[in-house]
Amino acid sequence: DAKTTQPTSMDCAEGRAANLPCNHSTISGNEYVYWYRQIHSQGPQYIIHGLKNNETNEMASLIITEDRKSSTLILPHATLRDTAVYYCIVRVAGSNYQLIWGAGTKLIIKP
Amino acid sequence: KAGVTQTPRYLIKTRGQQVTLSCSPISGHRSVSWYQQTPGQGLQFLFEYFSETQRNKGNFPGRFSGRQFSNSRSEMNVSTLELGDSALYLCASTRQETQYFGPGTRLLVL
Repeated sequence: DAKTTQPTSMDCAEGRAANLPCNHSTISGNEYVYWYRQIHSQGPQYIIHGLKNNETNEMASLIITEDRKSSTLILPHATLRDTAVYYCIVRVAGSNYQLIWGAGTKLIIKP
Repeated sequence: KAGVTQTPRYLIKTRGQQVTLSCSPISGHRSVSWYQQTPGQGLQFLFEYFSETQRNKGNFPGRFSGRQFSNSRSEMNVSTLELGDSALYLCASTRQETQYFGPGTRLLVL
């Protein structure tokens, strides 16, 4: 599975959009981009995933560049409860379900 | 639909003991994966079960084992506990290639 690079930490003001970048320059054509978040010592929570098209759900939007070498997770109206570590993971479709986790981005939402 | 449940939520053991952790996946999910999370190593894959068979295994010693029952519930066992086994143990069930995690079991080895 491809390796991902994320900033160690980011701040965002409450009510503003939080944009979390992820670099996956070695991604292969059949690898999906997944985003999870983990709020202090709880189990990781699935947010969204995509292959090449942009995706949106009730939690967030995922923007994947045309060359697929990077992506951005957007939380449209961040709240204090969105403070968490956000993980970007790439995984081959149909492969085993082992996820390889990096260090993630610590997102702090400030009032 | 109920989420992934894990029991117990907290556990304290001493070195040399063994421990069994339990995971009940989301109804209808047949794949269960286990992860260990420590501050130093982050989330690391232990093993994955599907239809009572271990399909994948991470790079952990044989002291770590697991099994899955016909109802998809899974258990993991750690024998001869070491101080370094103190961690948050996470279980995830998978459907349509997306993993959904339980709250974890926090194990402290003294």
